[in-house]
Amino acid sequence: GAVVSQHPSRVICKSGTSVKIECRSLDFQATTMFWYRQFPKQSLMLMATSNEGSKATYEQGVEKDKFLINHASLTLSTLTVTSAHPEDSSFYICSARAGLGDNEQFFGPGTRLTVL
Amino acid sequence: SQQGEEDPQALSIQEGENATMNCSYKTSINNLQWYRQNSGRGLVHLILIRSNEREKHSGRLRVTLDTSKKSSSLLITASRAADTASYFCAPDSGGYQKVTFGTGTKLQVIP
Repeated sequence: GAVVSQHPSRVICKSGTSVKIECRSLDFQATTMFWYRQFPKQSLMLMATSNEGSKATYEQGVEKDKFLINHASLTLSTLTVTSAHPEDSSFYICSARAGLGDNEQFFGPGTRLTVL
Repeated sequence: SQQGEEDPQALSIQEGENATMNCSYKTSINNLQWYRQNSGRGLVHLILIRSNEREKHSGRLRVTLDTSKKSSSLLITASRAADTASYFCAPDSGGYQKVTFGTGTKLQVIP
């Protein structure tokens, strides 16, 4: 199946700093990428939908100025958590769609963010 | 977009037994996908069933789809401890809409 990578897999940072998470589709071109957040023992919550070359569409309640999403190419999307605070500590997962065929969605392995 | 609702929320079985989990959705779909998530990991795509299919197999997995009832089931036969994970369904209405997830079924297979 298609492979999606995320980097870093784990990051610990101090409160107030910004953290960038990369999501790459390794063997296909992703017209659409999604960013999810998952708190312990909860389901995935969609944060935003990102289409290559256009602005991301954020879900209600997600601050677009705090969670900056860039989908500059068909294989790379980045999520930057700006001025991170302890409440932003979570598991961030991206997924990618090729936009072809059955339109399957493939997920990255996730990034564990801990803000001290 | 639409969201699937998995049932039961939790399931505990002995190794070797079969595990069945269900998914219900609200509007018509193009396909439905099942995913597995091991604790602290990303989602692994298990199987996709199209709206014109009624049953699909992949190894020890069997998925059924009943579009008239707007429901799907995932059967894992001869379960193993390694099958312990959360399982999510994702009904896809097409048009490249976003996919959101329910709470999943948390499966525990006891060795």
